[in-house]
Amino acid sequence: AAGVIQSPRHLIKEKRETATLKCYPIPRHDTVYWYQQGPGQDPQFLISFYEKMQSDKGSIPDRFSAQQFSDYHSELNMSSLELGDSALYFCASSLEWANTDTQYFGPGTRLTVL
Amino acid sequence: DAKTTQPPSMDCAEGRAANLPCNHSTISGNEYVYWYRQIHSQGPQYIIHGLKNNETNEMASLIITEDRKSSTLILPHATLRDTAVYYCIVRVLIIQGAQKLVFGQGTRLTINP
Repeated sequence: AAGVIQSPRHLIKEKRETATLKCYPIPRHDTVYWYQQGPGQDPQFLISFYEKMQSDKGSIPDRFSAQQFSDYHSELNMSSLELGDSALYFCASSLEWANTDTQYFGPGTRLTVL
Repeated sequence: DAKTTQPPSMDCAEGRAANLPCNHSTISGNEYVYWYRQIHSQGPQYIIHGLKNNETNEMASLIITEDRKSSTLILPHATLRDTAVYYCIVRVLIIQGAQKLVFGQGTRLTINP
């Protein structure tokens, strides 16, 4: 079965640079979530989109922005990168209009800021 | 969402049943119990969820107490590949909405040969 696709899988950036992470949800899924997992920490919710509209926001820095496009893929844009942004970034997708909203996660993007 | 409490770590012998407990004493009537696991830096993997009845799928069984204040995830025949951090998460099921997952510390399950 098709799964959530994230690209790139690994990304190395310098401080103050910009990064864009992409997420392609499972086909027909209408909701996307972004989570951040720092070293030795548990995943933390950043932001979510349902039907291309932002639906919830967590502890996402103002330097980060995200959107969901007409084909339901999503991009997380991160500017003025800091060392502390080094983390695993997971995208998850779900099908919300049905009576099941189980989130399925992608393999993650490992961002390293030098 | 209700808070959950899990033991930080557990060990289990390969081939035996692994029973992972979770306390959620403040759970509300409309909150479901979800279980995910994360195998070393991979994306969290959905295992099972339930409201009040016991549930079983190809991966595991979920036993929820009658008062719903606690639950147990059972992996019937644990293998080395089941070594992972297991998260018990309580959340409301929202139709046509997006409900984030709030990860707690989880239980680090180690399956020993």
